[in-house]
Amino acid sequence: QKEVEQDPGPLSVPEGAIVSLNCTYSNSAFQYFMWYRQYSRKGPELLMYTYSSGNKEDGRFTAQVDKSSKYISLFIRDSQPSDSATYLCAMSDHSNYQLIWGAGTKLIIKP
Amino acid sequence: DAGITQSPRHKVTETGTPVTLRCHQTENHRYMYWYRQDPGHGLRLIHYSYGVKDTDKGEVSDGYSVSRSKTEDFLLTLESATSSQTSVYFCAISDSSAGVGNTEAFFGQGTRLTVV
Repeated sequence: QKEVEQDPGPLSVPEGAIVSLNCTYSNSAFQYFMWYRQYSRKGPELLMYTYSSGNKEDGRFTAQVDKSSKYISLFIRDSQPSDSATYLCAMSDHSNYQLIWGAGTKLIIKP
Repeated sequence: DAGITQSPRHKVTETGTPVTLRCHQTENHRYMYWYRQDPGHGLRLIHYSYGVKDTDKGEVSDGYSVSRSKTEDFLLTLESATSSQTSVYFCAISDSSAGVGNTEAFFGQGTRLTVV
């Protein structure tokens, strides 16, 4: 079993829909949670960062962490075709240099 | 965009040959990382560096070596390339160790390596 599980998709939704992307993890020591967006043939770029539990909002994006369930989510409101990309979750504890990554979910927003 | 340049961007090489990929940064960040990205596996850490001449192994380091003689350059060498090393390789940099503080890792554009 991988430390971080993420459904690869693709997830296809119509423009304007609310999108929910999720990751589950097994290591209860993880405290730092990140979402990266990766466009085709580009490197990943950081979208959202959350420490410990709770919600964080940035424009149309909301990141949610539920440590009791070992589950994190990224919500995208009013989705746009430009949101079409692969979304990767990443996480770590405070004691090492390594981010542990999900495999990424490919998201397609249909105009 | 963070100043990270990977070279070459594309390479085709033969099995058994050595290959070196270069990552150059202009941000003066302390930490540098080499990842490979394969379908179904996401990003996997090969090696990382926490300073000049200071490197350590990641999750998938077998068959790879690295060197960092200057802050700005981090080289990844495939000592004898195999078909299983066909992948997209990403270099990343960060100002502090991943997971400590509000740390963002900035990624290069990637190198597509094909071993035939």
